[in-house]
Amino acid sequence: LAKTTQPISMDSYEGQEVNITCSHNNIATNDYITWYQQFPSQGPRFIIQGYKTKVTNEVASLFIPADRKSSTLSLPRVSLSDTAVYYCLVGNQAGTALIFGKGTTLSVSS
Amino acid sequence: GAVVSQHPSWVICKSGTSVKIECRSLDFQATTMFWYRQFPKQSLMLMATSNEGSKATYEQGVEKDKFLINHASLTLSTLTVTSAHPEDSSFYICSASKGASTYEQYFGPGTRLTVT
Repeated sequence: LAKTTQPISMDSYEGQEVNITCSHNNIATNDYITWYQQFPSQGPRFIIQGYKTKVTNEVASLFIPADRKSSTLSLPRVSLSDTAVYYCLVGNQAGTALIFGKGTTLSVSS
Repeated sequence: GAVVSQHPSWVICKSGTSVKIECRSLDFQATTMFWYRQFPKQSLMLMATSNEGSKATYEQGVEKDKFLINHASLTLSTLTVTSAHPEDSSFYICSASKGASTYEQYFGPGTRLTVT
């Protein structure tokens, strides 16, 4: 499984756009990139998944450059409730365990 | 859809006793479930992979005789912490996969175990 590297923490203010970048230099050809969000004392929650270019859903966008060695999770107009830990994971085997890195702790202030 | 529940949500037990944690997929069948442990301010650590009808596969360093896993049906996996000690106090989280058709996994809300 490809190793991922993310910033340990980020700070933002309400209403701003937040971009969290994840490095995965050893990503394999058939690997997908998935982001999860975790609040304290809760299980992780799926945010978005992508393979290349751009993916957008109702809560976030995921940008993946052509070389796929990194990806950026974009959260538009964050609110206080977006304060959480965000995990970037890379893998290709459906039905296999997810290996979590340290994640990025996002703190949103008013 | 794709809801995973855990029971109990929290439990306090005395040292030396055993505790059972249930993980259920409420609206789908999960041939594979996973158990994670998370200590404060740390990431999730995979403990074991649970397959319905077969023995669980444990990660290196996880004692299979201490953390008993049973996956008796396609919607239920249980984790029993035997002879619990204070160092077993942690947040235990399960996840379930719908199968080979998707890489997405669904996590339960977690169970907070405190051993006194």
